[in-house]
Order: sequence, then structure tokens, then C-alpha cells
Amino acid sequence: GNSVTQMEGPVTLSEEAFLTINCTYTATGYPSLFWYVQYPGEGLQLLLKATKADDKGSNKGFEATYRKETTSFHLEKGSVQVSDSAVYFCALSDPHGNNRLAFGKGNQVVVIP
Amino acid sequence: GAVVSQHPSWVICKSGTSVKIECRSLDFQATTMFWYRQFPKQSLMLMATSNEGSKATYEQGVEKDKFLINHASLTLSTLTVTSAHPEDSSFYICSARGVGYGYTFGSGTRLTVV
Repeated sequence: GNSVTQMEGPVTLSEEAFLTINCTYTATGYPSLFWYVQYPGEGLQLLLKATKADDKGSNKGFEATYRKETTSFHLEKGSVQVSDSAVYFCALSDPHGNNRLAFGKGNQVVVIP
Repeated sequence: GAVVSQHPSWVICKSGTSVKIECRSLDFQATTMFWYRQFPKQSLMLMATSNEGSKATYEQGVEKDKFLINHASLTLSTLTVTSAHPEDSSFYICSARGVGYGYTFGSGTRLTVV
């Protein structure tokens, strides 16, 4: 079945540091890939997405590239801010799976001043 | 952009009572709505998928008689937690999808059953 795997554990880093959150997936067919962000006590907001291999999604300084050969969609940001502290979820949507979203477990990111 | 309004944002109820959570798509027609449950520091667990005008499809292990879902119009879906118990306390999130509109999430409802 479809699944998304995110790196274990929270991520703590200093302001202006480089952020990477790893995400790999397993899917039949050609899924669309997403990164969502969740701030405390809120729902999910779409951060970026990519719908086909080699596509790069980008938003608010965050980037992720759809790598079919490594089945990955790692999230990166060159210089984080305290306001980027949140939980980040990687997800995929499989057109052969009724287009339902499958989520990774999420990564808590804490940016300290 | 697409907006989904979820209400209430939080609710406290007594054990044994029922609670209704509303999810509205404000500026698009939501042909499909999804209901998720999220435990603290965990990912979202899909509970059910509903298409307008038809019965919801529940995920394995989700009690359909306990979590009643109604999707009577293209802009409104409701989740009713019947005879709530403390173990039903959780964060519930809806998501809506429509033609030309991707997944848009509500802001979530924190349910506490005492």
C-alpha cells in the first residue's frame, strides 16, 4: 500500500540555520507529493507540492524536489526563522487510491533564537 | 484561495452526550470531505471519506455508529460524536476537496470529554 516515512524525532536548530527534513514514500503509480505545516492548535496548511517527477515545489523559502529514482521528497530551507517552528507533515495522494492523502508521522521543528 | 471553516474550535462535553462538529467550504463546492483524528504529537488518522449526497466510507476500525458523518450539501459536512466518552477526546480535523480545488483543511476541533 501507499506509505510515507519521515525521519524520526523532533528537529531543534538555531535561527538562520539550514533545515532538512527527510521524506521517502512508497506508492503504486505516480502520486502527487505534499508538505503540510501545522502550527500549535491549528489545522494543516499546504506548504508546497509537486505533481510529477523532477518537479520542485517552493514556498516561503522552503523547497522540495520530487525524486522518483530515490522515491524522496525532502524538505529544505536555507535559513530558518523562529516563526518556522511548527510540525511538518509529508504526504502523498495516489490517484489509484481514491486520491486520499497518506501522511507521514510529522516532524516537530523548533527554532531557537 | 480556498477556505474551509471548522466549528467549533474547541468543545468540552460531559460523558454520554453527543457533540456535532461542522465543516464548511466557504468559497468552493466540496465534492469530497475527509475527517481525521489526531492524537497528541502524532500524525493524522483518516476516519472517513464522504461524498456529497452519499453515505460516508469509514476506515477500518472506525465505528460508524459512533462517528456519524453527514455530507448533505456541497458546502457542509458534519461529524457527530455520539455518546462521547473520555477516550474520544482528541483533535478532529476536516479536509475538503472540489473540482479545481486541492485538499483544504479546517482549523481543527479540540474535543475534551469529561
